[in-house]
This record gives sequence, C-alpha cells and structure tokens, in this order.
Amino acid sequence: RKEVEQDPGPFNVPEGATVAFNCTYSNSASQSFFWYRQDCRKEPKLLMSVYSSGNEDGRFTAQLNRASQYISLLIRDSKLSDSATYLCVVNMKPLAGFQKLVFGTGTRLLVSP
Amino acid sequence: NAGVTQTPKFQVLKTGQSMTLQCAQDMNHEYMSWYRQDPGMGLRLIHYSVGAGITDQGEVPNGYNVSRSTTEDFPLRLLSAAPSQTSVYFCASSMEKIAGGGTGELFFGEGSRLTVL
Repeated sequence: RKEVEQDPGPFNVPEGATVAFNCTYSNSASQSFFWYRQDCRKEPKLLMSVYSSGNEDGRFTAQLNRASQYISLLIRDSKLSDSATYLCVVNMKPLAGFQKLVFGTGTRLLVSP
Repeated sequence: NAGVTQTPKFQVLKTGQSMTLQCAQDMNHEYMSWYRQDPGMGLRLIHYSVGAGITDQGEVPNGYNVSRSTTEDFPLRLLSAAPSQTSVYFCASSMEKIAGGGTGELFFGEGSRLTVL
C-alpha cells in the first residue's frame, strides 16, 4: 500500500462546478497535511495547509478525517485557471530536525468552458 | 524575488557522464532538499540538509552526492549518469526544520529536466 494515495484523474468539470478530491494516508501517526498545486511543467506550490478543524480559503475548503485517515479538497465555482494537478502531502513521522514529507502522485483537474 | 534558483533547466547526458545540478536560495532557509519527479510517482526525496555542513540521505540517494558548504547553496552531483536517472529534479527549501512547524511550506525551484541517453 502506498503511503499516500490519490485518484490520478483526470477530473473533467465545466466552469462553475464543484469538485472534490480525496487523499488517503497509511500512517496514523501523521502530524500535518497539505495540498500543493502543480501547473503543467512547473514546480509545486503550497495551496493550503489542512487543519484538524477544517479550513477554508476562498473557494477552497480542506478537511481532515483522522479516524479514516483521509484528507479532502473541495473547490467551489471552478475557474479555468484551477486546471492543474493537486498534490496531497503528508508529514508522515516527524524526526528530529527533519520533515518527512510524503507526496501523493497528484490528481489532475481540467476545467473546461 | 529570486527565491530558489536551479540551473540548468534542461540537460542531456550520455550514460556514464557526471554533472552537477545547482541550487541556490536567497531566503536564508536552513532546510534544503532535492526531489525527483517521475510519471506516476510522487516526488521522492533524494538528499536533504538541515544546515550548512549537515546533509543526509532521503528515500532514493543512490547515484547522487550532495554537499552544503553555505546556507545558500545545495548542489546535487550525479556521479555516473544512468538512464534510470532521467527525471525532473526539484530543489526545495524551507524555513522550518521541525516537521509541521509553522506553515510547513516548501519553496521549490523551477525544476531541472535531465535526460540520460
């Protein structure tokens, strides 16, 4: 079983749609969680951290379910510019002085006019 | 506004050649790392450094060397290139050394696309 698993997609949605991605992780001791966005042939960039209580940033909402070991990303009112690959990132087991960040393979989103 | 700078952006090597991928950051970050990204796989950590003079291996270190003589620079050396090292390489830095501290944000360079023939 992979440490972090994501549906690779692609998710094809029209502009204005709501879309949700899930990500599961294997290590119940994982400490922190993130969503990164990666545009085609570009570097990943942090989209948002995921907090236990859930958090929202504009059209984006992240949720964490520790009992089921998954995190989710909800995008409302999709824009063409949201087309990208969304990477789920989990800090598996913090070691002294070292962030052990494990990246999922990413979920590709295509928003069409 | 430089952030993390990687060079070269593209490189073609023949099997057995050696080369160095350069990485520099101007944010005074102590933590720096090298990842490789391959189709169908998540980014995998090659080597990392938590400060000048301190480096350690990540998940896939074989065939690569690193050094950290200054806070700013973290070069990645391919000792004897193999076709399996064809990949996109990303250098990343972070203010945080401790897992989950602060935003836990990694700042990535634009990537170096390496092809080994």
